[in-house]
Amino acid sequence: AQSVTQLGSHVSVSEGALVLLRCNYSSSVPPYLFWYVQYPNQGLQLLLKYTSAATLVKGINGFEAEFKKSETSFHLTKPSAHMSDAAEYFCAVSYSGSAGKSTFGDGTTLTVKP
Amino acid sequence: EAGVAQSPRYKIIEKRQSVAFWCNPISGHATLYWYQQILGQGPKLLIQFQNNGVVDDSQLPKDRFSAERLKGVDSTLKIQPAKLEDSAVYLCASSSYRDSPPGAGELFFGEGSRLTVL
Repeated sequence: AQSVTQLGSHVSVSEGALVLLRCNYSSSVPPYLFWYVQYPNQGLQLLLKYTSAATLVKGINGFEAEFKKSETSFHLTKPSAHMSDAAEYFCAVSYSGSAGKSTFGDGTTLTVKP
Repeated sequence: EAGVAQSPRYKIIEKRQSVAFWCNPISGHATLYWYQQILGQGPKLLIQFQNNGVVDDSQLPKDRFSAERLKGVDSTLKIQPAKLEDSAVYLCASSSYRDSPPGAGELFFGEGSRLTVL
């Protein structure tokens, strides 16, 4: 079975500071990994995904994530936070035999202070 | 391209009443999912359809929840009778795997239907 753990349910950074949101996964088979963002009263939308090509994945809005198999991690980073980045972020895992279903972490709420 | 449509956006009911949610996926997406998102938690899969067939409903509380996807397009999720613990946002998502390896496709979510059970 696959699972995802997001360390830190709330992260607060100042505008312009580095954003680091942590995700560790558990999977008995090679995983596919995703980061989704959810703005208030909206559905989730994909930021980026890892599908066993390059381990450093670049996504929308300046976000990127690095797949580290040895650490079973897929942390999300952005060099400089913007006020518009304030949202909830979810890490998710699936695999080739999952028929497409993703298992989600419990999310991290990012607050950006002026 | 139109996104995933869901209705109603908000619903308040008394416990033991029934409620139904409707979802229209992105045109051409064969796979449709219903997720339950309880406040403070990530989405949890309730049921997955491939066209009009059920792929996975192992987490669906079948004594009170039911779902159907007639003609492989729209889907309806019903709860009867509702319990207090059913208060959540019900998210519908769809996907197409034409351009991705199996299992690696992006999920496209609707805005969700927020249910409050009093």
